[in-house]
Amino acid sequence: TQLLEQSPQFLSIQEGENLTVYCNSSSVFSSLQWYRQEPGEGPVLLVTVVTGGEVKKLKRLTFQFGDARKDSSLHITAAQPGDTGLYLCAGGGDSWGKLQFGAGTQVVVTP
Amino acid sequence: NAGVTQTPKFQVLKTGQSMTLQCAQDMNHNSMYWYRQDPGMGLRLIYYSASEGTTDKGEVPNGYNVSRLNKREFSLRLESAAPSQTSVYFCASSDTTTHRSYNSPLHFGNGTRLTVT
Repeated sequence: TQLLEQSPQFLSIQEGENLTVYCNSSSVFSSLQWYRQEPGEGPVLLVTVVTGGEVKKLKRLTFQFGDARKDSSLHITAAQPGDTGLYLCAGGGDSWGKLQFGAGTQVVVTP
Repeated sequence: NAGVTQTPKFQVLKTGQSMTLQCAQDMNHNSMYWYRQDPGMGLRLIYYSASEGTTDKGEVPNGYNVSRLNKREFSLRLESAAPSQTSVYFCASSDTTTHRSYNSPLHFGNGTRLTVT
């Protein structure tokens, strides 16, 4: 059972455009992590959010954790080809080993 | 700094064959994990080791066994490979001595691409 739903599954945009990726669940999470994965490599952590309503910025990337800690979004401003990758969200529960991953959103940014 | 190293990078097995996937980390992390990644399914936890000397089942443990050889190494064994085990396997580690387990960042290797025919 997939507890975290990511949308859209695939996103193709031109360089300079903005995009938003969503991560939704009916479950409450203690924390929410975002990873980016490039072809042939493992995922790399971008950010962790732990407080409902929390907003974190990483250069052109803005991450938000929903007030109820059931959802999160990733917004990229003025996307660049280097932003191309598979974006994964992962929700943490209170029990050990209970980090649940979404299926991912494939983002392609063309010059 | 090597981080998490997985071997081999690619492997093709026939149904019924066995193999061991190796993983080693040099970050002195206490916790290690094995995930599989399939299209449309995300990353699913197979087994994890919270600390040296302990291992526990994750979401999809059937058909697999693990060994935490020491603090650095965590291996995954397929005793009798099946086509359903065709996947990309990722090893990861995290420091859960300074982070709560649910928000501890995972450090991943670059994966082993396994095909079972």
